[in-house]
Amino acid sequence: DVKVTQSSRYLVKRTGEKVFLECVQDMDHENMFWYRQDPGLGLRLIYFSYDVKMKEKGDIPEGYSVSREKKERFSLILESASTNQTSMYLCASSSRGRRETQYFGPGTRLLVL
Amino acid sequence: ELKVEQNPLFLSMQEGKNYTIYCNYSTTSDRLYWYRQDPGKSLESLFVLLSNGAVKQEGRLMASLDTKARLSTLHITAAVHDLSATYFCAGYRLKETSGSRLTFGEGTQLTVNP
Repeated sequence: DVKVTQSSRYLVKRTGEKVFLECVQDMDHENMFWYRQDPGLGLRLIYFSYDVKMKEKGDIPEGYSVSREKKERFSLILESASTNQTSMYLCASSSRGRRETQYFGPGTRLLVL
Repeated sequence: ELKVEQNPLFLSMQEGKNYTIYCNYSTTSDRLYWYRQDPGKSLESLFVLLSNGAVKQEGRLMASLDTKARLSTLHITAAVHDLSATYFCAGYRLKETSGSRLTFGEGTQLTVNP
């Protein structure tokens, strides 16, 4: 079974803090993704990576950066957290190919005070 | 830019009844995904629909894809309480020089009442 894990289930941070969210997958997937989920807005793609050290902006990259130094690990960084970044953050990974499917981690619920 | 819209966004139904969730998308997407999310949990993949006319069934759920109409449906047959969850559809965009990406609908929150 594919396993995608996220470093924290819940986080509380203060405005202006630097926040790291980590995601690890154990299926040697090429692609990894970070989404945020907000009520009424569904899932929105922040950044994704299709290879080590490669990254692409998603639909809402402002205020975020990412790092992928190893294939299995994809980090989301909030350089200076703001209250409007309070959200549920979901990481996903997928292989490439005709039947590729994104597998999601359990999510990190972040509260910025 | 691919846009995906679901309706209804909220659905309350009685056990034993049938209903359909609709997923419309704006531009070409020859692949469509359905996911389920239980409260407080992550997303679980339900179906991948790869081509026009594709139909997939799992238990009381059946998904179909009409790429010409840019429409996918998720049909629920004889609903049971365990189906209560939020259901998302997602369209697929392939970028030639990098990985593919999904665009999600807003989600349909389904509640099945006894």
